[in-house]
Amino acid sequence: GAGVSQSPSNKVTEKGKDVELRCDPISGHTALYWYRQRLGQGLEFLIYFQGNSAPDKSGLPSDRFSAERTGESVSTLTIQRTQQEDSAVYLCASSLSGGANEKLFFGSGTQLSVL
Amino acid sequence: GDSVTQMEGPVTLSEEAFLTINCTYTATGYPSLFWYVQYPGEGLQLLLKATKADDKGSNKGFEATYRKETTSFHLEKGSVQVSDSAVYFCALKGSSASKIIFGSGTRLSIRP
Repeated sequence: GAGVSQSPSNKVTEKGKDVELRCDPISGHTALYWYRQRLGQGLEFLIYFQGNSAPDKSGLPSDRFSAERTGESVSTLTIQRTQQEDSAVYLCASSLSGGANEKLFFGSGTQLSVL
Repeated sequence: GDSVTQMEGPVTLSEEAFLTINCTYTATGYPSLFWYVQYPGEGLQLLLKATKADDKGSNKGFEATYRKETTSFHLEKGSVQVSDSAVYFCALKGSSASKIIFGSGTRLSIRP
């Protein structure tokens, strides 16, 4: 596609339920990032996929969070047993090859609300 | 580990005022440095970047110079406009293999 696509754009769930967020990066981009942005806060790094390398999972806040990427395409971020503190915008971004000076292309995000 | 610290907002200025948003970093080696901007209702987009010491990134009248001696990458604009109202994020990438980390963001509001 023309840009990074994320779905759903909005997700409302009940505390304790599992949610799955999807990211379609720009075709051909090998680097993919997930970030969390709480209301009025900065971007919190979650996970980084780069080609066939092992992902950098150092930002995942707990074992309730996991992410997968199929080859160099779609990625899913799964949050199990959601908590109210998980409410935030989850942003996905991709870049061509993860080079040191490449710019990131961001999706519009998924607004997650946990009731 | 690597980190980015930027001045807290919100920052409110009058149109045509001079703008500085401070950003300092901690990193090993020679990171690449970025400023991203998030306009109201829009996604984040790259504003400018610099990849080595003394490089100056510039775009849309904004400038930032990579200062290794002070580990800083302050964002400046000589005359701001109402349309510059947005949230500005400083960011760092340590190497090709490393993640990009962002500062906490600075909200800028420009009064007509």
